[in-house]
Amino acid sequence: DADVTQTPRNRITKTGKRIMLECSQTKGHDRMYWYRQDPGLGLRLIYYSFDVKDINKGEISDGYSVSRQAQAKFSLSLESAIPNQTALYFCATSHRTGKSQGHEQFFGPGTRLTVL
Amino acid sequence: DQQVKQNSPSLSVQEGRISILNCDYTNSMFDYFLWYKKYPAEGPTFLISISSIKDKNEDGRFTVFLNKSAKHLSLHIVPSQPGDSAVYFCAASEGNTDKLIFGTGTRLQVFP
Repeated sequence: DADVTQTPRNRITKTGKRIMLECSQTKGHDRMYWYRQDPGLGLRLIYYSFDVKDINKGEISDGYSVSRQAQAKFSLSLESAIPNQTALYFCATSHRTGKSQGHEQFFGPGTRLTVL
Repeated sequence: DQQVKQNSPSLSVQEGRISILNCDYTNSMFDYFLWYKKYPAEGPTFLISISSIKDKNEDGRFTVFLNKSAKHLSLHIVPSQPGDSAVYFCAASEGNTDKLIFGTGTRLQVFP
């Protein structure tokens, strides 16, 4: 069952184009995240949102923007794509469960973006 | 500055033997650690976690050990199976942030 979905799964675009990656979740979680994965660098946090009115920058937010349209939807935009934004992008969700410290995040299948 | 490090990019283990994946961290404020497994063309999936108040957590074939004084954790898989072949990421978080800092991953290959 696809609790966290990402669209598109693959995208090839050209330098300077505006791109939007979308994430939807049916887990009922309040927290959502965007990461990018590059070879040899692991996953790095771009933006995160703890609820609809809360948006925060991660460690590599330059060149990206996000929108939390609803609790279940969190989109990532590249206003003017550049080749070094070629990467695998993951959306994730989590729900803090009080003292149980539910730090676990649940990931979507990823979007492979290529900027030519 | 890499706060979570996985110094072995790859590991090859025979089926049935033990796989030991290692992870080091530098931030002493990290208080929760997780391991994720990732297959090609899929997102990472949560495997096992450990709080800093413990030194061991076990779930079936998977055990995570935490050595706070050495700032080191390890994931043991016993016995290893071919289906365990994947990339394994360790991750850490601090306090109430819920933000995860990931290592660079170790590719495990289990051969027959």
